[in-house]
Amino acid sequence: DAGITQSPRYKITETGRQVTLMCHQTWSHSYMFWYRQDLGHGLRLIYYSAAADITDKGEVPDGYVVSRSKTENFPLTLESATRSQTSVYFCASTPDSGGKNIQYFGAGTRLSVL
Amino acid sequence: SQQGEEDPQALSIQEGENATMNCSYKTSINNLQWYRQNSGRGLVHLILIRSNEREKHSGRLRVTLDTSKKSSSLLITASRAADTASYFCASYGNNRLAFGKGNQVVVIP
Repeated sequence: DAGITQSPRYKITETGRQVTLMCHQTWSHSYMFWYRQDLGHGLRLIYYSAAADITDKGEVPDGYVVSRSKTENFPLTLESATRSQTSVYFCASTPDSGGKNIQYFGAGTRLSVL
Repeated sequence: SQQGEEDPQALSIQEGENATMNCSYKTSINNLQWYRQNSGRGLVHLILIRSNEREKHSGRLRVTLDTSKKSSSLLITASRAADTASYFCASYGNNRLAFGKGNQVVVIP
């Protein structure tokens, strides 16, 4: 199916474990983003990528690692999960054509760290 | 604090009424966007207004932008139960899209 898909949709893990959230888009969009959404904070940018093998930090990158070996995939890894990383995570992409930066979002991954 | 901050209101209105939400931002922008998020889903882009535009319409949506006050408003006319959602503004500038905290709108049938 065309679009942007995230997996898993729900994940429960324990403090200290490594967790990888997957994001896949079929549009060949250049830019991809990871956000976390928390009550009272709205959406905060974790990391973004302008193209394969190009990534950069966002507003709240600590505790997260990303990679982008292929244009269509942008996994987010929590190296050692903490309770403060309990959140809903959204992946987004944009072709950034014309400088509009309209972003297209996945359905999200709800992560609980116990 | 982040750019694009809506008035922290939760609106509850009757079907058929209009809903208005406001948003302010802090730095210069290329455009201002509004997104909708239904419960348990991702954000969906609704409308974009460029920094040199003052008003824009799309169906039942009307967006205004006042760059002198660094503010925007979203009006949904003749609301429907299906408009129940959270609405986010997002300011695009300096190659970043900064989201506000969102406004929850409940439309009562």
